Amino acid sequence: NAGVTQTPKFQVLKTGQSMTLQCAQDMNHEYMSWYRQDPGMGLRLIHYSVGAGITDQGEVPNGYNVSRSTTEDFPLRLLSAAPSQTSVYFCASSYGADNYGYTFGSGTRLTVV
Amino acid sequence: RKEVEQDPGPFNVPEGATVAFNCTYSNSASQSFFWYRQDCRKEPKLLMSVYSSGNEDGRFTAQLNRASQYISLLIRDSKLSDSATYLCVVGGDKIIFGKGTRLHILP
Repeated sequence: NAGVTQTPKFQVLKTGQSMTLQCAQDMNHEYMSWYRQDPGMGLRLIHYSVGAGITDQGEVPNGYNVSRSTTEDFPLRLLSAAPSQTSVYFCASSYGADNYGYTFGSGTRLTVV
Repeated sequence: RKEVEQDPGPFNVPEGATVAFNCTYSNSASQSFFWYRQDCRKEPKLLMSVYSSGNEDGRFTAQLNRASQYISLLIRDSKLSDSATYLCVVGGDKIIFGKGTRLHILP
């Protein structure tokens, strides 16, 4: 049981490049979310999904796309990387809304130069 | 009013002391409440869920007051290993994190 797996762990991008951060979970969780964490800002919700085929925007969705074609996978796409997207990105999953805590991946540290 | 608010700290307390964290939330329709712990440069990890009746796990006690939209966490007999950032979390379909309160336990 691997839990929530994020790849890559580290990435450096040039401004304007695109890339996909991968997230996979093997716990059959319906709920999945992407957060970014910046110093002094806490964890901010980018996008979330309550099941395959269903996604919605969080607090800071601009510049990011997501899709949820399977229960297991929830990739985050950066369309045209900007220095403001330098951050630590966490993917998390949960069984559902009521008192089920989220399990987090170990994070992706992204630097945009 | 921010969705989830916490005192950012840092709290510097001696080993063995009792420390209390407070959190307020703005959405009265929120369904679920948690405390998470985050160590430096690590992912957040679930510490405990919070129920209206209050719940305890060893040295940790969590309380929820729905009328006041207030959540608390009490740590008794603090240990050096309790040093971390404690995140208040409130949710429904989407889970919103507070910015966290940093705790330093002093030897």
